[in-house]
Amino acid sequence: IAGITQAPTSQILAAGRRMTLRCTQDMRHNAMYWYRQDLGLGLRLIHYSNTAGTTGKGEVPDGYSVSRANTDDFPLTLASAVPSQTSVYFCASSLAGGGTDTQYFGPGTRLTVL
Amino acid sequence: GQNIDQPTEMTATEGAIVQINCTYQTSGFNGLFWYQQHAGEAPTFLSYNVLDGLEEKGRFSSFLSRSKGYSYLLLKELQMKDSASYLCAVRDSNYQLIWGAGTKLIIKP
Repeated sequence: IAGITQAPTSQILAAGRRMTLRCTQDMRHNAMYWYRQDLGLGLRLIHYSNTAGTTGKGEVPDGYSVSRANTDDFPLTLASAVPSQTSVYFCASSLAGGGTDTQYFGPGTRLTVL
Repeated sequence: GQNIDQPTEMTATEGAIVQINCTYQTSGFNGLFWYQQHAGEAPTFLSYNVLDGLEEKGRFSSFLSRSKGYSYLLLKELQMKDSASYLCAVRDSNYQLIWGAGTKLIIKP
């Protein structure tokens, strides 16, 4: 693989169910991020991790949790999905070495909660 | 609060030039990014400005005025493939990106 992959590509989920969105990068980037993108709104940061073993809360963390056991993987879990979590979810990564520190995005997961 | 403003939608003609504006009010400033996002796809990096002035990269240029809280993305010699949304983002004092809602650019032949 090259870059960032996300799985699944799309998912329809019943409210109240637990769901984990997967994200894997092979660029050896230190930092990883989860965003949600909703129509008419900018990307909103859910959680981030500056390095393996650490995580932080973004702008909209409620209802979501993350873990960063190693450099490559950064799963996002919805413990009990609600319809307001219907969105497109993007995972991103960056080297976090200062300067430009460009974020590179995965292809996204389209999640519908009914 | 933090705010990034961009026009919602713009229309331009193939071969022409278009300027997409972005104004921002953020807690701190550590650089401004422009990304391109085609419908149904991921955002991809276009440009980065941290100092005032113009950065040119092929058909795309980006300008920054920190004192005015203002940036623009200039696209020249427009092609149909430039039809996309253009996202402005500012890195704040916490080194997190604050994103505008994006400008949908429609190119007409």
